[in-house]
Amino acid sequence: GQNIDQPTEMTATEGAIVQINCTYQTSGFNGLFWYQQHAGEAPTFLSYNVLDGLEEKGRFSSFLSRSKGYSYLLLKELQMKDSASYLCAAMDSNYQLIWGAGTKLIIKP
Amino acid sequence: IAGITQAPTSQILAAGRRMTLRCTQDMRHNAMYWYRQDLGLGLRLIHYSNTAGTTGKGEVPDGYSVSRANTDDFPLTLASAVPSQTSVYFCASSASRDGTGELFFGEGSRLTVL
Repeated sequence: GQNIDQPTEMTATEGAIVQINCTYQTSGFNGLFWYQQHAGEAPTFLSYNVLDGLEEKGRFSSFLSRSKGYSYLLLKELQMKDSASYLCAAMDSNYQLIWGAGTKLIIKP
Repeated sequence: IAGITQAPTSQILAAGRRMTLRCTQDMRHNAMYWYRQDLGLGLRLIHYSNTAGTTGKGEVPDGYSVSRANTDDFPLTLASAVPSQTSVYFCASSASRDGTGELFFGEGSRLTVL
């Protein structure tokens, strides 16, 4: 079956760095997405990786290893506003998105 | 600048009633989607439309129907609501027809079925 695994909850300190991991198993693969969702709000797009490697976008970076079925989202210089859920989603060969349950990130001062 | 608008934002509904959740986008996107989000689960696709005039079933389509008469509107109808349909519903759109593009989400409709 198709599956996405990511930690349920993580805690980090303001100003620090945190890495949120995601492993996936899909029938075929057409890319890996990360979305941010603040409590009570809609998800918003962070990144899309389809090739192996690291893509950096400001304080956020996303990494993909297709051979390992693995991705991570790296958040640097954490701010209180980064407290949110981070959703990992993999696209299968039919271009259907398989979503993880999300990682709730708690930032402490 | 609206993007995607959903209505209602919140609704309490008696079981057995019919309900339509409205979704309108002003970005002229080809593809539109309806998801439900439940605690502890990932977003689950209910129905989708790759272009006006076409619709398809997602992962959890039973008890729901959609239509796509034009590019902008994509309503979701619950013919006879049941308590298991209590959820937060998100409408989303994408400029790409195959789904590889960024998804833009509406603010969600919180539905409670009693």
